[in-house]
Amino acid sequence: SQTIHQWPATLVQPVGSPLSLECTVEGTSNPNLYWYRQAAGRGLQLLFYSVGIGQISSEVPQNLSASRPQDRQFILSSKKLLLSDSGFYLCAWGNVQGDSPLHFGNGTRLTVT
Amino acid sequence: GENVEQHPSTLSVQEGDSAVIKCTYSDSASNYFPWYKQELGKGPQLIIDIRSNVGEKKDQRIAVTLNKTAKHFSLHITETQPEDSAVYFCAPGGGNDYKLSFGAGTTVTVRA
Repeated sequence: SQTIHQWPATLVQPVGSPLSLECTVEGTSNPNLYWYRQAAGRGLQLLFYSVGIGQISSEVPQNLSASRPQDRQFILSSKKLLLSDSGFYLCAWGNVQGDSPLHFGNGTRLTVT
Repeated sequence: GENVEQHPSTLSVQEGDSAVIKCTYSDSASNYFPWYKQELGKGPQLIIDIRSNVGEKKDQRIAVTLNKTAKHFSLHITETQPEDSAVYFCAPGGGNDYKLSFGAGTTVTVRA
């Protein structure tokens, strides 16, 4: 069966510090991978998606970047965090473009202080 | 891209009553219509989905209905229970914009 792992579960970082969030998927090949951010009590904002190794598309201009060094690994990074980067970050994978379920990890709660 | 509107944004129901959430979308090419449930501190989980060749689908106390002509689909929860309290999202997809587009979410509270 397919599983998705996302870590850490919670993270408190000072402004200006770097960030690295990792997501890995098991049990499937060549998944589409996604990073979403969710502000408190709000909806899901798509940040990045990837249809293959090294292929990253950014949805919104921001202080973050994403990389996909391996087929089932997706990394969200920042060189210098801002207060506005605080939020709940969710990684997800899907098999077919847009017409099959997305499977989400349990998220990372990031607080920038 | 797809424009998705979800109503209502909040819904409070008495335990045992029914809850209905409606999702409207703009892309007439969309052919996949899922609903997700998000509990506090967790990622959204698929609870039911429907494809464009089907008008209604049921799974125990939950059902999804689709009106492709009017471009909307709805989530129906019957005999609500406290564990149904969560945020629900619709996310139509499979159309011209291949990414799933999420609605803003509906916070459902079931009062005991």
